[in-house]
Amino acid sequence: SSELTQDPAVSVALGQTVRITCQGDSLRSYYASWYQQKPGQAPVLVIYGKNNRPSGIPDRFSGSSSGNTASLTITGAQAEDEADYYCNSRDSSGYVFGTGTKVTVL
Amino acid sequence: QVQLQESGPGLVKPSQTLSLTCTVSGGSISSGGYYWSWIRQHPGKGLEWIGYIYYSGSTYYNPSLKSRVTISVDTSKNQFSLKLSSVTAADTAVYYCARVPTPETDWLSRFDPWGQGTLVTVSS
Repeated sequence: SSELTQDPAVSVALGQTVRITCQGDSLRSYYASWYQQKPGQAPVLVIYGKNNRPSGIPDRFSGSSSGNTASLTITGAQAEDEADYYCNSRDSSGYVFGTGTKVTVL
Repeated sequence: QVQLQESGPGLVKPSQTLSLTCTVSGGSISSGGYYWSWIRQHPGKGLEWIGYIYYSGSTYYNPSLKSRVTISVDTSKNQFSLKLSSVTAADTAVYYCARVPTPETDWLSRFDPWGQGTLVTVSS
């Protein structure tokens, strides 16, 4: 199966913008979905498709994609955005998750 | 709205079979349109997709776990289940169930909603 690679950790100042990237061959064929996971909690869907937000997800979360890279951008990061973020896509063997990025809000 | 809830033993002995059930409420598995999936997360690690089942009983498994995994569905109880055989300490993880639309329903895949997860520890 394919792999989805993410930077292990990024930090962002309160109110600033942070971009999280996800790279993998499957992204050339399928859109990524993005999940936020806070400690001790189940993942929550924040972005899917080209740039679709489920109901209840703030519009500071946005997504984009180009070639084999998908990106999740948080514009105006808030303290409550501190969490682990995972990308996911379909692939030839079913579904694959990214390695995860820990976002720290300073 | 659809909600999922995992249940099952929190402790399994090595070499035995791990068995979990996911109960779906607020919607019917028999309605179709969705794959019902299992995903796990080793302590402090990332997410790993285990496999899915359709209401008809068709399944698809992660090749890395395929030899040990069985997912089944009981539409009368609106539940689906996971069995993982010959477990070792490496199977200690939080196990989640989640729903994902079939490509025919929606080409934009996403796992939503998720159950709260259940920790399964493999230890003697």
